[in-house]
Amino acid sequence: DVKVTQSSRYLVKRTGEKVFLECVQDMDHENMFWYRQDPGLGLRLIYFSYDVKMKEKGDIPEGYSVSREKKERFSLILESASTNQTSMYLCASGLGGSNQPQHFGDGTRLSIL
Amino acid sequence: SQELEQSPQSLIVQEGKNLTINCTSSKTLYGLYWYKQKYGEGLIFLMMLQKGGEEKSHEKITAKLDEKKQQSSLHITASQPSHAGIYLCGADGTGTASKLTFGTGTRLQVTL
Repeated sequence: DVKVTQSSRYLVKRTGEKVFLECVQDMDHENMFWYRQDPGLGLRLIYFSYDVKMKEKGDIPEGYSVSREKKERFSLILESASTNQTSMYLCASGLGGSNQPQHFGDGTRLSIL
Repeated sequence: SQELEQSPQSLIVQEGKNLTINCTSSKTLYGLYWYKQKYGEGLIFLMMLQKGGEEKSHEKITAKLDEKKQQSSLHITASQPSHAGIYLCGADGTGTASKLTFGTGTRLQVTL
């Protein structure tokens, strides 16, 4: 079974802090993704990566950056956290291609105070 | 951009009853993915549909994709409390599954 592990289930940070969310997958997947999930808005793609050191902006990249130094690890960085970044963050990985689903981690519920 | 609309937004059914959730796309789909999410947790992959008219089943859950590949339905037969959660459809509009667009989800409660 595919295992996507997010470093924290719950995280509380303060406004202005630099926040790191970590995600590791164990299936040698090329593609990795970061989403945020908010009530009424569904899942929205922040960034994705299709290879080591490669990244592409998703639909809502503002205020975020990412890092992928190793194939199995994809980090989401909030450069200067703000209260409107309080959300559920979900990491996913996948092989890519038209018949390959994305597999998700358990999510990190991030609160910015 | 691709938009997905799910209906209903929420559903309360009595245990043992059947139910259907719909997912409609504004554009033709390369692939349609169904996921289930338990409250406060990650998404669990259920099924993927690619071909027009395709139908797949797993245990008591059946998913269909219409011939035009713009609408999908998820049908649960004889619902159980374990079916409770949020069901989301995700659409692949590029053929690469690299960028999925998700619906806002259908919240299902199953009462005893």
